[in-house]
Formats: sequence, structure tokens, C-alpha cells
Amino acid sequence: EDQVTQSPEALRLQEGESSSLNCSYTVSGLRGLFWYRQDPGKGPEFLFTLYSAGEEKEKERLKATLTKKESFLHITAPKPEDSATYLCAVQTSYDKVIFGPGTSLSVIP
Amino acid sequence: DARVTQTPRHKVTEMGQEVTMRCQPILGHNTVFWYRQTMMQGLELLAYFRNRAPLDDSGMPKDRFSAEMPDATLATLKIQPSEPRDSAVYFCATPPGTLYGYTFGSGTRLTVV
Repeated sequence: EDQVTQSPEALRLQEGESSSLNCSYTVSGLRGLFWYRQDPGKGPEFLFTLYSAGEEKEKERLKATLTKKESFLHITAPKPEDSATYLCAVQTSYDKVIFGPGTSLSVIP
Repeated sequence: DARVTQTPRHKVTEMGQEVTMRCQPILGHNTVFWYRQTMMQGLELLAYFRNRAPLDDSGMPKDRFSAEMPDATLATLKIQPSEPRDSAVYFCATPPGTLYGYTFGSGTRLTVV
């Protein structure tokens, strides 16, 4: 069964304290892995797409990496405005996109 | 305008009533996805359309839910009759190039009492 899990469920960081979020997946053929950010009361906002193991993408304080079984979203020196829920999603070989449950990140000043 | 517009933003209704949610996809994009988000289940795919034709609605309870795309500028999701367990935030999303990510609307928060 296709499945996407994320850990931790919630993460609380001090401003400037770097950390990583994990997304693990079991799918029948990976066409792409996506990271989204979701703020309260809003729809998810697209961050990155990764296509193959070894690929990396960066945007400001965020860096996403991909292996054959998981992806990491590294947050370097986070700021309070990085507080949000981060969602991982995978597109399978038969074109379904499955979302993980998300990691709720709080960055404390 | 590269936005997906959903209406209404909030809807409170009584159990048994019909609910219709609307989505205006990004102009020129021919694929629309409907998702439902709850605390327990997260984001679940209900249905998606391409060129106004349904491609997959296997995630949708067929007895009470229906999704249509009457023209390229409007997609609708209807629940009849509504039940308290339908309470959730319903999102629609485009564009069709899923490998480049979706653009989500702001969602319709549905509460069925």
C-alpha cells in the first residue's frame, strides 16, 4: 500500500536552532516528491519538487534532499516566520499524489 | 491571475442539507483536484478532472458526493445530504503539471451540525 509518513509530528525550535524534518515513503514507483508549507487558515503553498535520489533543492533557509526511501527538509537558522505546518507529498507511477500528515513547526523568538 | 479561488470560505449547515462548493481554477489550466483536510486524516484526494472529464473519483463517497466541471472556469463539489462527519476543509488545486506542484485555493471550511 502506498504510504507517506512524516516525523516528528510537531517540532519546537528556538530562533536560530537548525533542524531537519523527515518524510518517509513507500510507493509503487516515485515520479516526484513535493514539499509544501501550510499556514493556518490557508491552502498549502508549494516549496520544492525532487525527482530522483541524490537531488537537492534550496530556497532561503530551507533545503530539501531525497534518497530512495525518504526526504529531509533542513531548516537552517530558522526565524519565527518559518513557523507553519510542512507537508510532504509523493506522486506515484499511476499519477496519484499522496500527502503525509505534516510536521507542525514552531520557531520561538 | 495565477490564483485558485474558492467559495464560500466558510459554510455552516444543518445535517441533511445540500452543500455546494465552488472553485475557479487558474485560467488556462485544465486539471482540477479536490482534496479534503481533517486533523485525523490529513489531506485526502477526493477527485480530479482533466479537460473537464473526471479521471479519478475513487476517494469520494459516491452515495452523497458529486463533483463536476461544467466549464473550464468552474469546478463544483456537492454533498447531498450532508452529515457531521463531512465537517472538514475542502481544497481545490491546479495546475495540471503535477511534477511542478499544485496551486491550492484557500479552501472552504465546512461545518455540519
